[in-house]
Amino acid sequence: DSGVTQTPKHLITATGQRVTLRCSPRSGDLSVYWYQQSLDQGLQFLIQYYNGEERAKGNILERFSAQQFPDLHSELNLSSLELGDSALYFCASSTRAGPTEKLFFGSGTQLSVL
Amino acid sequence: DQQVKQNSPSLSVQEGRISILNCDYTNSMFDYFLWYKKYPAEGPTFLISISSIKDKNEDGRFTVFLNKSAKHLSLHIVPSQPGDSAVYFCAASAPRASNTGKLIFGQGTTLQVKP
Repeated sequence: DSGVTQTPKHLITATGQRVTLRCSPRSGDLSVYWYQQSLDQGLQFLIQYYNGEERAKGNILERFSAQQFPDLHSELNLSSLELGDSALYFCASSTRAGPTEKLFFGSGTQLSVL
Repeated sequence: DQQVKQNSPSLSVQEGRISILNCDYTNSMFDYFLWYKKYPAEGPTFLISISSIKDKNEDGRFTVFLNKSAKHLSLHIVPSQPGDSAVYFCAASAPRASNTGKLIFGQGTTLQVKP
């Protein structure tokens, strides 16, 4: 158990809909990362928050947004969903935001857009 | 642009033999590398790391080698065990100047260790 909790584990929805994925980091971790893993793809970095503020942005679509709340949990919002958004979404956390940080991953949310 | 590449999607080895997983990178600014292991229905877990000031790091059965001139790293597992069967991801930490802990991952290599 990594200590990172993601909910829900599975999500099935239709095109055009909006969903929210939730992540609770390990106790004491200030940094949260979101990654997307599509079929046969590696983990694609989406966005990072550190202590409530956006720290780094990857290839995140404009239809996607995220935030980190004062209690350090994070939410990833996906809107106007398309079939191609079907993927496994991972959240990870680390103590700080430096380049030698180890990331601890949750077990992911499997999103299926039908 | 795939900055971290794992060109072998899969690898099959016999129990007790050596497993060698390879990874190439393109950005010479990367100076810290990690390997993660992922079992089905679980998130990736940290396995071993190496800084660019070293060319080898060993942890039990796992050894990572770094060849900076070739921009290549490899993970050796000796001896391989059936429980090592998993997807292995190579990752590079973003350059220090970016002041972020984000990791850039390769596509992963699925290792199967046969009893």
